Parts: sequence; C-alpha cells; structure tokens
Amino acid sequence: DAKTTQPNSMESNEEEPVHLPCNHSTISGTDYIHWYRQLPSQGPEYVIHGLTSNVNNRMASLAIAEDRKSSTLILHRATLRDAAVYYCILISPSGSRLTFGEGTQLTVNP
Amino acid sequence: DTEVTQTPKHLVMGMTNKKSLKCEQHMGHRAMYWYKQKAKKPPELMFVYSYEKLSINESVPSRFSPECPNSSLLNLHLHALQPEDSALYLCASSPSGTGRAYEQYFGPGTRLTVT
Repeated sequence: DAKTTQPNSMESNEEEPVHLPCNHSTISGTDYIHWYRQLPSQGPEYVIHGLTSNVNNRMASLAIAEDRKSSTLILHRATLRDAAVYYCILISPSGSRLTFGEGTQLTVNP
Repeated sequence: DTEVTQTPKHLVMGMTNKKSLKCEQHMGHRAMYWYKQKAKKPPELMFVYSYEKLSINESVPSRFSPECPNSSLLNLHLHALQPEDSALYLCASSPSGTGRAYEQYFGPGTRLTVT
C-alpha cells in the first residue's frame, strides 16, 4: 500500500476547528483514504473514509484534494475527548491490510 | 452490537508458559485481524482471517499461533514467548468483500507482559 506523511504533532484549543493534514503523493486511482484515531489506552477507532469526494459524518469531515495527493481531516469543534493519535491510511479496495504510519498526536488545550 | 471484545485485559506470563488470547464479535463480520502494538508505536498487522481461513500471515514467529474456530471468535495461542513480545495485542473485525475497503472495528486490546 502507498505511504502517507503526517505531522508528528498538532495542538488545538477546545471548541476550535482542527485541520489534520495528510500527504499521499503515491496514491493509486483505486486507493481509499481512511482515518482512524487512537485514544490513550484504547484500540484504534474508525473515523471516516473517502475515495474522491469530500465526506461528512457525525465525527468529522474529510476533504480530499482534486488530484488526491493529499487530504485533510476536519474536526469542526475540538473537545478534550478528541485528544488522540490520528492515523491516515491508504487501502486498496481488494486489500485488507491497514498499514499504520506514525500518525499525528493531537493535543487539545482547555 | 458494534463491539469487539477481548479477554483477558491484562496477562502476565513466563517464557515457558502457554496461554491464549480471545477475541469475539457479533456483528456478522467475516474478516478478523490480530495486531501487535509496542509502546508509543503504531499497530502492526500480524494475521488476517477471511471466512475463517487464514489469508495473511505477516511472517509472524511460530510461537504465535492464530485460530478461528467460527466466524465470531478469534484466538491467539502463545507459547515460549520472549520478553520482547510484551505489547498490546489488538483484535479487529470488518465486513469482508471486494469493491471497497471496509472499516475495521477494534477491541480494547490485551496488555501482555512476558517475564
């Protein structure tokens, strides 16, 4: 699976929007972009995924660049409970591997 | 029920012991996974079962032996482990199929310490 690049860490203030970037310049045409997060002492949790169009769900929004070489996970109003490591992962439709990169550690300040 | 359960939560075992980790899901998922996660590192895939058959083994040492007795249950049998095998072992499940990459549901993990 293609590689993703994320910042090691980001900080946000509570109730402010957070934009978590991910670069995936070697993405193939059929790769899906998945986001997971891992809260302290818990297993990873699925957040959102997309292919070409922007996606919204109850947890977040995913903005995908037109050339698909980058994407941004948007948390509209960060809460303290959103403090976690966020992973951006590419996966082919026939694949089952989740290859986690180092992810972005998000700190939310009260 | 969208939960993946894992037992035990914590396990301490000696290098000569034999123990098993258990994972269960009742979402009708036909793909199940074992991951290993060392402290402050991302999870690493170990095994994938699809329709109760082992489909991926990421060159895991034979002291780890997976088993999928039925579509809801996944075991990981441990024997003659080394201290460096101490880690958080995560189980996950997902719908199985082609045409899209399904999201995976993770359990809380078993914290294993090998002494």
